[in-house]
Amino acid sequence: GNSVTQMEGPVTLSEEAFLTINCTYTATGYPSLFWYVQYPGEGLQLLLKATKADDKGSNKGFEATYRKETTSFHLEKGSVQVSDSAVYFCALSDSGGSNYKLTFGKGTLLTVNP
Amino acid sequence: KAGVTQTPRYLIKTRGQQVTLSCSPISGHRSVSWYQQTPGQGLQFLFEYFSETQRNKGNFPGRFSGRQFSNSRSEMNVSTLELGDSALYLCASSLYGRDGGTDTQYFGPGTRLTVL
Repeated sequence: GNSVTQMEGPVTLSEEAFLTINCTYTATGYPSLFWYVQYPGEGLQLLLKATKADDKGSNKGFEATYRKETTSFHLEKGSVQVSDSAVYFCALSDSGGSNYKLTFGKGTLLTVNP
Repeated sequence: KAGVTQTPRYLIKTRGQQVTLSCSPISGHRSVSWYQQTPGQGLQFLFEYFSETQRNKGNFPGRFSGRQFSNSRSEMNVSTLELGDSALYLCASSLYGRDGGTDTQYFGPGTRLTVL
């Protein structure tokens, strides 16, 4: 079955540091890949997505590239802010053509200190 | 455009009771999915409804059920509550539940269920 493996947290960075959160996946076919973010006490917000190989998703300074050859979708940001502190989830869709059933990684807690 | 709304936001029940959670999708969205989030198991897919029909179900016992109304609003029900059902229950909606392009799932804030 499908699975997503994320780098174990927590990750603690200083403001303006470079961020990388690793994500690799196992899936049949060609799933879409997503990064969601969850702020304390809230639900999930879509951060970015990529629907095919070599696509780059980007939003709010975050980027991730769909790498089929390495089955990876690593999240990066050049300069993090305190407001980026949250839990980040990598996810993939059911490659059967539906997106309503997402498989999530365990999540990575990011704390950014001023 | 209003987002996905879930009611109630917090709920406390005792073992053996049943509970009903409600989800209103984004206007125009016809697919509604439910997920359970716990510290131990993470986010797990419960089921999905489209046009009042359940299209897929995750690996949960029959105590977990749901339905969707003609206006796409959805409810999920958990009967005979157990301590392990304590979790954040998230609802997500999308246009058709199809992959690619602009059809993406948007999540609500969740209902925090505590079973005592």
